[in-house]
Amino acid sequence: AQSVTQPDIHITVSEGASLELRCNYSYGATPYLFWYVQSPGQGLQLLLKYFSGDTLVQGIKGFEAEFKRSQSSFNLRKPSVHWSDAAEYFCAVGPPYNQGGKLIFGQGTELSVKP
Amino acid sequence: DTEVTQTPKHLVMGMTNKKSLKCEQHMGHRAMYWYKQKAKKPPELMFVYSYEKLSINESVPSRFSPECPNSSLLNLHLHALQPEDSALYLCASSQVGVGTGELFFGEGSRLTVL
Repeated sequence: AQSVTQPDIHITVSEGASLELRCNYSYGATPYLFWYVQSPGQGLQLLLKYFSGDTLVQGIKGFEAEFKRSQSSFNLRKPSVHWSDAAEYFCAVGPPYNQGGKLIFGQGTELSVKP
Repeated sequence: DTEVTQTPKHLVMGMTNKKSLKCEQHMGHRAMYWYKQKAKKPPELMFVYSYEKLSINESVPSRFSPECPNSSLLNLHLHALQPEDSALYLCASSQVGVGTGELFFGEGSRLTVL
């Protein structure tokens, strides 16, 4: 079955500290991989995506993610967290071929940032 | 212009009312989506339109009726809703084909059913 697991429901980090959010997936083939962020009361915004090629991808707002095929993981990282990064983060996978975009979302990780 | 615009931002309706949610995009995307999101949960796909034709209906109750009048507009007509339908309704758009998982979301319409 296709699924996305974000093991951490809630993470709290201090401002300026590094961040890693975990994402594991189960899929028949290598899917397209995404991280979305949702600030309170807002829609979702794409942070970064992986389709193919270099397994370390850079995104907006200083985020990066690394695709590890052997671990079926796509973890999100940021070297120094800012208070404005407090939000809900969703990992998602999508089909790796020409199809209407039916994404499978993880349950989300809520990030809190301590001053 | 990279925005997906949703109106209204907030809607309160009774169970016997008829209302509509509207979504507009001008990015030339030919796929448009409705999602429902409950608090602290991921979005749940409701409908997908591809080239103005309904391509996915995730077994949504008939009290929700989508409409895609043209390639830029997407509506969700609401009738005889239940309190459990209260949620954030998100519209999104994307290209069709490679990269269809790259969705552009609106800010949502927060619906309260009394």
